[in-house]
Amino acid sequence: NAGVMQNPRHLVRRRGQEARLRCSPMKGHSHVYWYRQLPEEGLKFMVYLQKENIIDESGMPKERFSAEFPKEGPSILRIQQVVRGDSAAYFCASSFSGGGNQPQHFGDGTRLSIL
Amino acid sequence: AQSVAQPEDQVNVAEGNPLTVKCTYSVSGNPYLFWYVQYPNRGLQFLLKYITGDNLVKGSYGFEAEFNKSQTSFHLKKPSALVSDSALYFCAVRENPEGSQGNLIFGKGTKLSVKP
Repeated sequence: NAGVMQNPRHLVRRRGQEARLRCSPMKGHSHVYWYRQLPEEGLKFMVYLQKENIIDESGMPKERFSAEFPKEGPSILRIQQVVRGDSAAYFCASSFSGGGNQPQHFGDGTRLSIL
Repeated sequence: AQSVAQPEDQVNVAEGNPLTVKCTYSVSGNPYLFWYVQYPNRGLQFLLKYITGDNLVKGSYGFEAEFNKSQTSFHLKKPSALVSDSALYFCAVRENPEGSQGNLIFGKGTKLSVKP
């Protein structure tokens, strides 16, 4: 499967725990984007990364959220001390380059539920 | 600030009839516009894009979209709807089309329901 791979598909955490969401981009893609989707809403941009660099994190909450895209391995979105309001679907997308005409290809998402 | 509006939460169409899902945008400079479709519990699938050139863009599964600069619209269309087209449709604009980077700004989505 050459598509964007996200795991886990479903993640349940209790308030105060940490959540780690993983994303492997499409083969040959070095640009990764994370979005959050709340019920009945569109996707909201969180962060844009290239290998080992955060390019734009203007959509990330200032506290508890962090993202990385190491030289080797998947991109990780990390949420510390989760709260009920973090419950959402988190989508990762990748593109071959950051150019404006490149479509982003999406994974199937991780559905995070906070108890 | 850049934005995308999808004025209809839901569109209902009978199978075989033409369908239109509306989208208007607001962006400084030239817009890069995209349509995506989302099936339940899945990610977004790319349908088509407008970057430059012909105003009528053809995409996957028989869909097309018409770019109208004067009306700042990019409506999605299909001549003959299928029941399997029932899904959630998102219009998106590239935030920084003239630059080398930029995330997508999405509309809230339109639920398309095609009845047999």
